[in-house]
Amino acid sequence: GESVGLHLPTLSVQEGDNSIINCAYSNSASDYFIWYKQESGKGPQFIIDIRSNMDKRQGQRVTVLLNKTVKHLSLQIAATQPGDSAVYFCAERAGSADGLTFGKGTHLIIQP
Amino acid sequence: DAGVIQSPRHEVTEMGQEVTLRCKPISGHNSLFWYRQTMMRGLELLIYFNNNVPIDDSGMPEDRFSAKMPNASFSTLKIQPSEPRDSAVYFCASSSGGAETQYFGPGTRLLVL
Repeated sequence: GESVGLHLPTLSVQEGDNSIINCAYSNSASDYFIWYKQESGKGPQFIIDIRSNMDKRQGQRVTVLLNKTVKHLSLQIAATQPGDSAVYFCAERAGSADGLTFGKGTHLIIQP
Repeated sequence: DAGVIQSPRHEVTEMGQEVTLRCKPISGHNSLFWYRQTMMRGLELLIYFNNNVPIDDSGMPEDRFSAKMPNASFSTLKIQPSEPRDSAVYFCASSSGGAETQYFGPGTRLLVL
């Protein structure tokens, strides 16, 4: 989602539940998408990526879904753990020569 | 394996001073990216290099910012003169295939007083 001013969207889930983090991207020409996780005081950490010729990709406990019709990307985290607490960013790339454009991020909070 | 290395990790300076941030990419990676992160604007791409050549510097805020990559294992981002609005976390990232799967360093937290 989009942030407003200093406030990031926040998603609070119970430990063990599944989380879904959403992202709307802007460029219909984007052909590659990445999800990053950023913990406090650290750099973004790669989670999973997907190309535009796919609509779903699974990793370990994570799944990324891509809906190009509505330019929407989501990250699903199964059985969330305390270590999943972080800010999650989606990023898109438009063409092989371009750098990444990042979304504003979503703060995921895991409640015990 | 060592990841992307950045130095310094923290920098506090006064307005008008020159600031130099350093980055060592992951060995074998041929693309290097500089980003700036603030609460208001999020993560912004400043510039990126491919095989030590600047490819896109359209994100560099103004002439006060400059970046160099003299060889495959070292890059600098320089701000001269620095201003309080430059305060942010500056990240360096590298990849082995253009913009795909970029690996980020720990960042340099810059505070300009």
